[in-house]
Order: sequence, then structure tokens, then C-alpha cells
Amino acid sequence: EIVLTQSPDFQSVTPKEKVIITCRASQSIGNNLHWYQQKPDQSPRLLIRYASQSFSGVPSRFSGSGSGTQFTLTINDLEAEDAATYYCHQNSGFPLTFGGGTKVEIK
Amino acid sequence: EVQLVESGGTLIQPGGSLRLSCLASGFTVSGYYLTWVRQAPGKGLEWVSVFYAGGGTYYADSVKGRFTISRDTSKNILYLQMSSLRLEDTAVYYCTRDSPPFYWGRGTLVTVSS
Repeated sequence: EIVLTQSPDFQSVTPKEKVIITCRASQSIGNNLHWYQQKPDQSPRLLIRYASQSFSGVPSRFSGSGSGTQFTLTINDLEAEDAATYYCHQNSGFPLTFGGGTKVEIK
Repeated sequence: EVQLVESGGTLIQPGGSLRLSCLASGFTVSGYYLTWVRQAPGKGLEWVSVFYAGGGTYYADSVKGRFTISRDTSKNILYLQMSSLRLEDTAVYYCTRDSPPFYWGRGTLVTVSS
């Protein structure tokens, strides 16, 4: 099983700060790494797919990078609406797995 | 518009069986990769099972042999038949489409408790 380890588990930040969340895979997964945002009582929302591909509807302050085993999600100029838990997810091999999540709180 | 609507979640005793349904609209279930993902209360996301467009299926080890994923193309519904339910199966169960999942339903809550 491919284990995804996210860090940090929790981050408290002020608006306009930059947030960097990392996801480390237990083995190489190429670019088959995706990022989700989940707000309380909502379903997850896909932000970034295949490590760095963003798409319409997702604010440009969200970006992703990485390949192999190390990946990052960056949120520039954090806004209050970005308070959420962020998960990485791999579909390189079964079983599909998710990271443990990073909760971002706005100070 | 693509929509996924889960139903069937309820309170059930350990050892019991339950079938979840995911009614799809805006597309046909036969043409897409569909998965079930669950989330225990206050916990993270856990992939449960997948139904490939071509008909193949895979399961998480935690549910293998107890859960069965299937689809009814005439009704455009994805199912998850769950048996031998355990306390740790308590979760919101989401139906999703695509890989990686792009479309998600709102989920249905399964509570396993005596």
C-alpha cells in the first residue's frame, strides 16, 4: 500500500500569508498525486490534479508541484474562505489512498 | 448537470447488512469510473471501492470480502452492498465519479452501533 504522509497536521495562519502543505509518498507515484479541499459539512473539492494541473473554477492562488515521492500544495495570499482541511490523494496503484489531512485555520 | 445522490445510510447493529445507492444523473454510469469513499466522524478520507467503466472492481483490504460494489445501468445507479458490518465502518459514504474523483455526492451516513 502506498502511504501518503502530509505535514503539517495543522496550521494557523493570518490572511495574506503563504501556506505550504507537503505530501510524501512511501514509494514513487510519478505525478499521480491530487489535492482536495474539504470545508466543514461539505464534500471534498478537487483543487489540483496530477501534481500541478489546475483548472477553471479553482482560484489561481492554489498551486501544486512535485513528482515521485515529494509533493507540495501552495496557497498564496491566503483568504478567510480557504479555512479547510486539505488532503492529498494518489491513484497510482491500488489500494487508492489519501493523506491524513492538513487543517488550515485562519487566525 | 452531473449529480450524484447517495441514499440508504442508517443506524444498524454490528454484524448487519445494508445496501447503499448512488443515483447518477447527467451521465450514464456505464461509461465512467465510479468509486465509494468514506469518512469516519472527525477523521480523514478512506477509499473503499471502485467500479471501472469496463466492469472491473477493486476493494480496500478493510472491506474486501464484506462489501460488494455493483451498478444497474437501467436505473443509472451505483450500489455498495455491505455485510458483516463493524463499528469501524461507521462513516459518511460518498459516491464519486472519475479518477481522480471530481464529482462527489453529499454522502450518506452509516452508523454501526448496538
